[in-house]
Amino acid sequence: SYVLTQPPSVSVAPGQPARITCGGNNIRSKSVHWYQQKPGQAPSLVVYDDSSRPSGITDRFSGSNSENTAALTISRVEAGDEGDYYCQVWDKSSAHRVFGGGTKLTVL
Amino acid sequence: EVQLVESGGGLGKPGGSLRLSCAASGFAFSSYTMTWVRQAPGKGLEWVSTISSSSIYIYYADSVKGRFTISRDNAKNSVYLQMNSLRAEDTAVYFCGRDESLVGATDSWGQGTLVTVSS
Repeated sequence: SYVLTQPPSVSVAPGQPARITCGGNNIRSKSVHWYQQKPGQAPSLVVYDDSSRPSGITDRFSGSNSENTAALTISRVEAGDEGDYYCQVWDKSSAHRVFGGGTKLTVL
Repeated sequence: EVQLVESGGGLGKPGGSLRLSCAASGFAFSSYTMTWVRQAPGKGLEWVSTISSSSIYIYYADSVKGRFTISRDNAKNSVYLQMNSLRAEDTAVYFCGRDESLVGATDSWGQGTLVTVSS
């Protein structure tokens, strides 16, 4: 089955950019979605279809997808951005939705 | 405003059954694909099952196939997850979500309901 690999953790100082990666075989051929989850809360969608933002999501969040790596970039990180971030794709060959293992973003 | 409210969680015994419900409001429920996702304590998100708007397409994760059944009642704006042959590893918070499309992102989520499987 299709596997998505994320780094367990990313730490960044306030005001600096954060980049969270999501690796997968030929992931460029899939649409990647990104979710933010804060402690004790449900996930929420922050980027869909590689680089689109839902209504109400700040433009500090952006996404990219190329070759075997997709990425979520948060420019000018704020304390309120702390949480877990998950990438997700639809794997057509297995007809499964697949999540990455998640990345914990810490703002120093 | 889109609202999704899960219910039906609680304590289940190994080998037993539970039925989760998700009541939807604030949108045209019958037009949307719906999904269940779970999260074991301290772990990441795991996709469980997806059902298309008219129930024609239904998909399951390998870990629950043959034990769980997803269904929906468009007249009641609700989606369900019948969980049979429960195992300890099914212990998790179960979230229901609204999908943009059959293969698209989950753009709205409920707050989740906790299922604990223990004797």
